[in-house]
Amino acid sequence: GIQVEQSPPDLILQEGANSTLRCNFSDSVNNLQWFHQNPWGQLINLFYIPSGTKQNGRLSATTVATERYSLLYISSSQTTDSGVYFCALGRGGNEKLTFGTGTRLTIIP
Amino acid sequence: DGGITQSPKYLFRKEGQNVTLSCEQNLNHDAMYWYRQDPGQGLRLIYYSQIVNDFQKGDIAEGYSVSREKKESFPLTVTSAQKNPTAFYLCASSMGGESPLHFGNGTRLTVT
Repeated sequence: GIQVEQSPPDLILQEGANSTLRCNFSDSVNNLQWFHQNPWGQLINLFYIPSGTKQNGRLSATTVATERYSLLYISSSQTTDSGVYFCALGRGGNEKLTFGTGTRLTIIP
Repeated sequence: DGGITQSPKYLFRKEGQNVTLSCEQNLNHDAMYWYRQDPGQGLRLIYYSQIVNDFQKGDIAEGYSVSREKKESFPLTVTSAQKNPTAFYLCASSMGGESPLHFGNGTRLTVT
């Protein structure tokens, strides 16, 4: 199956800082999604982004499918951004998604 | 508001007992999924259903069973055959195919 690697595994930042999270994958994909899991376990879909660039407020994501990576940018971090960020990807429907092990982001006031 | 409701939030059972986790969605989504999450790990697919009265095994279906009698509902039963049932269980839904996946708030199951 497709291998997924997220980096860094842990990231601690001061409130207001910017961050870049990376998701590398081993094969071509046509389905790639980013999720945020808050400290209470709730998973929120941030982006559906198999290719190209999208922006939603302070968050943006870019997937370069030909080079097999995706980046999630968080600008002007807030404490509510803390949690674990997962990328999930695959070829085909959502039943084919493989989840990475996540990047744990901690924002310090 | 549309969403996915999982209940209960916390569940405690004794070893050897079957337990059923509820998942209801009012998003009119065709596809529904059950995932398991263990500490420090990503999500793993247990079962999924793309249409009423049909469901397929995921990567870790052993010891679990599901039903899909209504479009809105996709309950998961954790049977006594599941060797390590203690975990965080997440239900999700989507329009089907390659489309954004949306999750419920999860059920934390502890079996002692």
